[in-house]
Amino acid sequence: QQPVQSPQAVILREGEDAVINCSSSKALYSVHWYRQKHGEAPVFLMILLKGGEQKGHEKISASFNEKKQQSSLYLTASQLSYSGTYFCGTEERSNFGNEKLTFGTGTRLTIIP
Amino acid sequence: DGGITQSPKYLFRKEGQNVTLSCEQNLNHDAMYWYRQDPGQGLRLIYYSQIVNDFQKGDIAEGYSVSREKKESFPLTVTSAQKNPTAFYLCASSIDLWRQGYGAFFGQGTRLTVV
Repeated sequence: QQPVQSPQAVILREGEDAVINCSSSKALYSVHWYRQKHGEAPVFLMILLKGGEQKGHEKISASFNEKKQQSSLYLTASQLSYSGTYFCGTEERSNFGNEKLTFGTGTRLTIIP
Repeated sequence: DGGITQSPKYLFRKEGQNVTLSCEQNLNHDAMYWYRQDPGQGLRLIYYSQIVNDFQKGDIAEGYSVSREKKESFPLTVTSAQKNPTAFYLCASSIDLWRQGYGAFFGQGTRLTVV
């Protein structure tokens, strides 16, 4: 079952901030974040492994609340290059170790000058 | 250069024909995946493989088949049983799912159109 992302789409002016949320109905081992430009392959941004872990990548950071089975991606002072569709990917826990990598439905981010 | 290659980029087939999409990686990754992308539905998992000669069904495996005879290769066959095969197909690979801290690398995708 796919994780749920919100919002589905967001339009920002350059310099504004955005938050993209990802939630799962299943216990998670990790959460991945990817960005896909139109017509291109998704590109890996970051992975969060531990509950409460936060990571940063330039002005893009993320948090992982393992207990709530949720993750959020934070984009601050957005730039035109941040436009694209953002996907969260989740690895579910199992008795045999990590298993399949399942992606959310995506959040389309549009940055306007 | 290391990477993951999908071919062809565009593929046209007549309804009722089976078609095989190629995915090759030279990253020495253990895990490989196939996803289908339709507008508004994100990436849906078709099949995945953690080691050679082993693979598991994803969320939408019906009408598809795969093989994993070599570590580098994970071809996907779209059979005539797939009711709506026209879509963008993405292959990905990652270091063993049991390791920590690594994301997945994607190929450039194959856009399949069935007429």
